[in-house]
Amino acid sequence: DVKVTQSSRYLVKRTGEKVFLECVQDMDHENMFWYRQDPGLGLRLIYFSYDVKMKEKGDIPEGYSVSREKKERFSLILESASTNQTSMYLCASSPVGTSGDYEQYFGPGTRLTVT
Amino acid sequence: AQTVTQSQPEMSVQEAETVTLSCTYDTSESDYYLFWYKQPPSRQMILVIRQEAYKQQNATENRFSVNFQKAAKSFSLKISDSQLGDAAMYFCAYRSADAGGTSYGKLTFGQGTILTVHP
Repeated sequence: DVKVTQSSRYLVKRTGEKVFLECVQDMDHENMFWYRQDPGLGLRLIYFSYDVKMKEKGDIPEGYSVSREKKERFSLILESASTNQTSMYLCASSPVGTSGDYEQYFGPGTRLTVT
Repeated sequence: AQTVTQSQPEMSVQEAETVTLSCTYDTSESDYYLFWYKQPPSRQMILVIRQEAYKQQNATENRFSVNFQKAAKSFSLKISDSQLGDAAMYFCAYRSADAGGTSYGKLTFGQGTILTVHP
């Protein structure tokens, strides 16, 4: 079974704090993704990584950065947390397949509240 | 850029009945994949069913089937014999088929539909 784990289910931080969200996958997947999920907006891609130390911006990267030092671990960093970053954060991973017939596997999510 | 629209924020169904969730998308690509993902309350999102755009046959997975209308850019999910465990948020998602290309398997999601199943 593919397993994607996230370091915290619930997190409460103060405005201006630096926040680290960690994601680990155990299936040697090349691709990893960070999304945020907000009511009425679905999931929006923040950043993704297709290899160690490689990263690409998604649709809403402002206010976030990422780090991928090892293949199995992908971290999302909020440099200076703001209240509009209160959200559910989902991590996902997927393999690379030439057929394209592959899915993304999701972690349980981290519900972050910034006060 | 591709967009995915789920126009039904909430749906409800009686246990054992059938329900259809709607999804439309916009793309200029001819080859792509479409997915339905299920997110149960407080649980991880899982894949329900996938459809390859170049396959005309609609995908089915047990009680779950899709109605894929490529020309209309429509991709609805039908759940037959609904069960209490089907209650969840359902997301429609699109992925470009440029395998090995620059899409890196990125998904574009719809807004989600909350499905309630009544006993």
